[in-house]
Amino acid sequence: DGGITQSPKYLFRKEGQNVTLSCEQNLNHDAMYWYRQDPGQGLRLIYYSQIVNDFQKGDIAEGYSVSREKKESFPLTVTSAQKNPTAFYLCASSFRGEGYTFGSGTRLTVV
Amino acid sequence: AQKITQTQPGMFVQEKEAVTLDCTYDTSDQSYGLFWYKQPSSGEMIFLIYQGSYDEQNATEGRYSLNFQKARKSANLVISASQLGDSAMYFCAMRPTGNQFYFGTGTSLTVIP
Repeated sequence: DGGITQSPKYLFRKEGQNVTLSCEQNLNHDAMYWYRQDPGQGLRLIYYSQIVNDFQKGDIAEGYSVSREKKESFPLTVTSAQKNPTAFYLCASSFRGEGYTFGSGTRLTVV
Repeated sequence: AQKITQTQPGMFVQEKEAVTLDCTYDTSDQSYGLFWYKQPSSGEMIFLIYQGSYDEQNATEGRYSLNFQKARKSANLVISASQLGDSAMYFCAMRPTGNQFYFGTGTSLTVIP
């Protein structure tokens, strides 16, 4: 079955560590997105990519980095520069103007 | 500027009753899409219904319908015959020209038995 897979489901990070969240899709979608969700604030766009080897910053890109070396994969790295990384992270993909398909999310906690 | 507003942080509805979740939007684009998603406590985002800006008929999907009033820039979600499994967060989203979506802050719906 086609879909988006995010891993891991839960992730714990120590202060000062970089961590990478995985997002893989087999839907042949061109565009992929990363969102952060905090309680009461809805979804905020971190980064998005319309094609391979190209990506753009969203509204809250500081402290995050991405790559898009393959159409299927769009990993998100939460760097030590992100001062408040505890949140729920959602990956999504879409095909030319159609609706989003979401992954099941990764819950990141700083310990 | 693109903006989605959901003014109801929380709503309660009796089982089997209908409920309306409000959504207003702001965009200068002539062509745009409006979406509603459901997010249960597990966190996944489930697509419910879509309305295109040029669609003359209100969209319906089973128990979900979208009350689209273009002049008022509103796209309210109506859930008929509420069920306990409808308890979740509901997000309104807009896709203007291009692929990027804009989301509201969500409405938490609780269905009371």
